[in-house]
Amino acid sequence: RKEVEQDPGPFNVPEGATVAFNCTYSNSASQSFFWYRQDCRKEPKLLMSVYSSGNEDGRFTAQLNRASQYISLLIRDSKLSDSATYLCVVKGSGGGADGLTFGKGTHLIIQP
Amino acid sequence: DAGVIQSPRHEVTEMGQEVTLRCKPISGHNSLFWYRQTMMRGLELLIYFNNNVPIDDSGMPEDRFSAKMPNASFSTLKIQPSEPRDSAVYFCASSSGGIQPQHFGDGTRLSIL
Repeated sequence: RKEVEQDPGPFNVPEGATVAFNCTYSNSASQSFFWYRQDCRKEPKLLMSVYSSGNEDGRFTAQLNRASQYISLLIRDSKLSDSATYLCVVKGSGGGADGLTFGKGTHLIIQP
Repeated sequence: DAGVIQSPRHEVTEMGQEVTLRCKPISGHNSLFWYRQTMMRGLELLIYFNNNVPIDDSGMPEDRFSAKMPNASFSTLKIQPSEPRDSAVYFCASSSGGIQPQHFGDGTRLSIL
């Protein structure tokens, strides 16, 4: 089983719709979780951290389910500018800065 | 605030040549990471440093790859000799460690002919 798995998509979604995607991870001792966004030919940028209780940032909501070992990202009222690849990132149980694993990303296309 | 700075942005060279990629982390960050990204393999961690010391280089493909961090504000990734299969986008990232997220540079798009 891959350490971090994501559906590569692409997800084709009309503007204004709600879209959600999940990411599963294999290491039950993982401590920290993030969603990054990567635009075409650009660097990954932190979208949001994912907290145990779930968290919201504007139109974006992130959830963590430790029992089932997955995290999710929900985008409401999608905009054309949301089109990008969304990377799920999981940090292991090691101390310091180690154990960071990236998924291969889910490609999202918002259509007018 | 200045982010992570990488150079060059693009590099095209012939196989067999030495390639040196450079990175300046965000001031105050004590962890630095080198990644490689390809369509087939996604984003792969090559090596990371903590307080200028290499901690884990298990992702470095082979002996042709080497990385150094002589001080807190500079790191290099060197490929010698380069091969066409090394063509990829190479990212440098830094963080303040622990559970803090990483901040990426713009990347170096490397093409080995």
